[in-house]
Amino acid sequence: ELKVEQNPLFLSMQEGKNYTIYCNYSTTSDRLYWYRQDPGKSLESLFVLLSNGAVKQEGRLMASLDTKARLSTLHITAAVHDLSATYFCAVSGVYSGGGADGLTFGKGTHLIIQP
Amino acid sequence: ETGVTQSPTHLIKTRGQQVTLRCSSQSGHNTVSWYQQALGQGPQFIFQYYREEENGRGNFPPRFSGLQFPNYSSELNVNALELDDSALYLCASSSGEIEQFFGPGTRLTVL
Repeated sequence: ELKVEQNPLFLSMQEGKNYTIYCNYSTTSDRLYWYRQDPGKSLESLFVLLSNGAVKQEGRLMASLDTKARLSTLHITAAVHDLSATYFCAVSGVYSGGGADGLTFGKGTHLIIQP
Repeated sequence: ETGVTQSPTHLIKTRGQQVTLRCSSQSGHNTVSWYQQALGQGPQFIFQYYREEENGRGNFPPRFSGLQFPNYSSELNVNALELDDSALYLCASSSGEIEQFFGPGTRLTVL
């Protein structure tokens, strides 16, 4: 069974600081996703990482993937209040039926950035 | 280009009832996946439909069923509702490429 673990689950930080969210997964997968979710809203795609060593950056967010360690990180640089949200990592898995590429999500990291 | 839409936005049902949720996929997308997100949790994969056939299922009982239509829109049906079925139900569409695009969700409350 594919398991995805994120830590921390809750993070309160000040504006201007840097921090990293970690995502570990239990079995080999060829895709790692990061999503953002605001309260009461749907999921917004941030990054899709496909290969070992992949690094993607958008604004103050940077995601990386180490498939050998089964680890992805989401790094926040010089945090601003607008980045307050819940961040999920997800991994594509194989389910009964065989053909689906449904995602297995972590529990999410609830991020609060205080002025 | 129209994104993924879902209806209704909110729904309140009582235990034992049945519910149907609807999803219209993004233009050009032939695959629809459904997820259940309980409060404070990550989404859980229910099943996926590709070209009108279920082609994968997560750990959900048979009372969760679905359909996909020729225009690739989809329905999620839940029979014999239980209190624990209260959640945000998300559908996501894709075209067989890498990315899945999520709809706004339907908030189901079971009393």
